[in-house]
Amino acid sequence: DTEVTQTPKHLVMGMTNKKSLKCEQHMGHRAMYWYKQKAKKPPELMFVYSYEKLSINESVPSRFSPECPNSSLLNLHLHALQPEDSALYLCASSQTDGKRGEKLFFGSGTQLSVL
Amino acid sequence: SQKIEQNSEALNIQEGKTATLTCNYTNYSPAYLQWYRQDPGRGPVFLLLIRENEKEKRKERLKVTFDTTLKQSLFHITASQPADSATYLCALRGGGFKTIFGAGTRLFVKA
Repeated sequence: DTEVTQTPKHLVMGMTNKKSLKCEQHMGHRAMYWYKQKAKKPPELMFVYSYEKLSINESVPSRFSPECPNSSLLNLHLHALQPEDSALYLCASSQTDGKRGEKLFFGSGTQLSVL
Repeated sequence: SQKIEQNSEALNIQEGKTATLTCNYTNYSPAYLQWYRQDPGRGPVFLLLIRENEKEKRKERLKVTFDTTLKQSLFHITASQPADSATYLCALRGGGFKTIFGAGTRLFVKA
């Protein structure tokens, strides 16, 4: 299994809602990532978990809250988002601890619209 | 600050020709350079990785070069096909977890 599975594929939420994005991989990868991508822009790194511990937070607003319950799962909890947070949210994983430039495996993403 | 530039927003070529995409970077000394393909509404898919001490890498119809003096990588698709139409992203990675992506070049291969 070489897949990263993200759910839901599409999400529409109001600014007062609370929702969660989910990501799962069964490749035994020990690093997992959240990226945000706006149309015609590059993916931007948000968070990195290594061995289930938060390793990088790229100064992301607190209305985005990541969680890594175990080595296969990654969640992104959303609360009080703004319309400008509408984007494609991508989950990725990589094999080890990032020291050898190994490739990222991406999920298909969650297309989020904030109304 | 670190910056990655990919040559053009869009590239149109005829089927069977070679597509050449350019990636230039500044204020960065990456240990690795990667190329990904992204289709609309999908996540990027890894294609090739080249290390700073390698000049060229090939995989089937794909070829990547890496010139650390010019701070440039070229990505070639030979005998291009309409199915190669996609956005191609250049990505840089030093030691550690940060992979920085360029904005991508949209390739259109016309039959």
